[in-house]
Amino acid sequence: ETGVTQTPRHLVMGMTNKKSLKCEQHLGHNAMYWYKQSAKKPLELMFVYSLEERVENNSVPSRFSPECPNSSHLFLHLHTLQPEDSALYLCASSQDWVDEEKLFFGSGTQLSVL
Amino acid sequence: DAKTTQPTSMDCAEGRAANLPCNHSTISGNEYVYWYRQIHSQGPQYIIHGLKNNETNEMASLIITEDRKSSTLILPHATLRDTAVYYCIVRGGSQGNLIFGKGTKLSVKP
Repeated sequence: ETGVTQTPRHLVMGMTNKKSLKCEQHLGHNAMYWYKQSAKKPLELMFVYSLEERVENNSVPSRFSPECPNSSHLFLHLHTLQPEDSALYLCASSQDWVDEEKLFFGSGTQLSVL
Repeated sequence: DAKTTQPTSMDCAEGRAANLPCNHSTISGNEYVYWYRQIHSQGPQYIIHGLKNNETNEMASLIITEDRKSSTLILPHATLRDTAVYYCIVRGGSQGNLIFGKGTKLSVKP
């Protein structure tokens, strides 16, 4: 148990559906992250939030929409996804968004887009 | 672009030490070396990090060469549960983003 909880663990959705991934951290951290891990590819950083403000958006398509309502919760809203968006989506948190801070990851949401 | 080079895969016998190398020849003075591992279908797990001195914790030891161009992660007594992909990451600068490469797939065998 890392203190970072992601739900759901698995999700299957059609290309016209709208769904949301949820991440909650119980560590009192100020920074939260979304990563994407496609099959046989390295983890890709998608979004970074520091003190509830988005500080990084790595050219992610607009069909992925993050939301950080408070420092403990992070959402990733999904709509009109494509089959190539099928991947493991990982949430992480760190004390702050600065050097030397280690990241704590959740177990991820395995997403399949049909 | 990844700043580190790691072997694609390694095997280790259970109970023996696992030594995982990493080259980071372009590392700059303010960049740290981090190691994470990812067990199948789970999120990455922090192992250890260092700047220039060798480091040890309850999970592993990190040996960084004097010129800081390479490092070795040592798992002193590997178990089957240590089978995972191990990522060596160089991180520094004014922002704290971790950039993952492909890592080394370590297989611990009985």
